[in-house]
Amino acid sequence: DTEVTQTPKHLVMGMTNKKSLKCEQHMGHRAMYWYKQKAKKPPELMFVYSYEKLSINESVPSRFSPECPNSSLLNLHLHALQPEDSALYLCASSQAQGNQPQHFGDGTRLSIL
Amino acid sequence: QKEVEQNSGPLSVPEGAIASLNCTYSDRGSQSFFWYRQYSGKSPELIMFIYSNGDKEDGRFTAQLNKASQYVSLLIRDSQPSDSATYLCAVGGPTDSWGKLQFGAGTQVVVTP
Repeated sequence: DTEVTQTPKHLVMGMTNKKSLKCEQHMGHRAMYWYKQKAKKPPELMFVYSYEKLSINESVPSRFSPECPNSSLLNLHLHALQPEDSALYLCASSQAQGNQPQHFGDGTRLSIL
Repeated sequence: QKEVEQNSGPLSVPEGAIASLNCTYSDRGSQSFFWYRQYSGKSPELIMFIYSNGDKEDGRFTAQLNKASQYVSLLIRDSQPSDSATYLCAVGGPTDSWGKLQFGAGTQVVVTP
């Protein structure tokens, strides 16, 4: 079990649907991250939040919309996704945005029909 | 182009032997170095991190860092079948890119009984 909790574990959605991924941590970490991982590839950074403010957006398409309602929660809102967006979406957290280790959640496996 | 390179493997290791994994990086300003273990279909799990030149030991794992030669390695002693996984090397950049981890492609390790 990890200390970063992601829900749902699996999600299947159509290209016209709107859904959200949720991530929660109670370690008091002040930096949270979204990554996308395709099969047999390393994780790719999407967004970084530091102290609840968006710090890094790695030129992610606008159909992905992150939100950090408070220091423990991170959401990723999905709309009008494409089949190539099917992947494992990973949330991570660290004490701060710096050199500290990042701890990953179990991920949400997303399939776009 | 900042790069992190790993041998993709598979690295076949007899049970009880030492597995040696290597990782090289191109950005001399890199300050933090992490090893993650990822089982098939699961999320990455942090197993070691190192910041300073030299060795760092934790149980059966030893991380070694040589900044002058720009490589970091991971030794797994007394390898067990449960160590069979993909090992990802991740490198944290200098201050102006804190929070961004550059991942290698991963080395698949197979421990044979």
